[in-house]
Amino acid sequence: EVHLVESGGGWVQPGGSVRLSCAVSGFTVDEYAMHWVRQRPGKGLEWVSGIGWSSGSLAYADSVKGRFTISKDGAHNLLFLQIETVRPEDSALYFCTRALVGGSYFDHWGQGALVNVSS
Amino acid sequence: EMVVTQSPATLSLSPGETASLSCRASQSVSFDVAWYQQKPGQAPRLLIYGSSNRAAGIPARFSGSRSGTDFTLTISSLEPEDFGVYYCQQRINWLFGQGTRLEI
Repeated sequence: EVHLVESGGGWVQPGGSVRLSCAVSGFTVDEYAMHWVRQRPGKGLEWVSGIGWSSGSLAYADSVKGRFTISKDGAHNLLFLQIETVRPEDSALYFCTRALVGGSYFDHWGQGALVNVSS
Repeated sequence: EMVVTQSPATLSLSPGETASLSCRASQSVSFDVAWYQQKPGQAPRLLIYGSSNRAAGIPARFSGSRSGTDFTLTISSLEPEDFGVYYCQQRINWLFGQGTRLEI
């Protein structure tokens, strides 16, 4: 059975950094493209970043480019999202997702990690 | 810049009725979409991918269609558990629409 479990969220001051992790089971991160999607409180879904199955392909939303870094550890079946120079607008629930073969649609989601940016 | 627009913002229907949710891409060259359902406090769930393919375990009352740059999610014979917010997502840049809230 496929499971994705995010961790690493919490309270962070503006300008600080935070690293989100996603532990997966039931498949390996080296076989699928993986993505992060966020949802600000009471708002809609916003795609943030994605990484191809081979890690050779990385993509970022314009709103986070230069501050967010996506990566994965195939040996431990983990997905990461490093967020630098956090801003209040980065406050959101961050979902880890697996993409269907083809890489475009998200067939499995974690329950999310909450990041609160406040001074 | 591509924009994905969903309508209506809110849809109020009764059990047994049929819901039609719309999604439109702003550019003339469009690609297939996916549809997701999200209930309060839950992660989204994939319903439809490739515009018209049901995801695993999704009931047959959910169907998707495409006409050019216009996409429709149809939910036939609404069940009480179908309430929630529905999002469409463009496949080429993973862009989401703003969502349609379905009230039963």
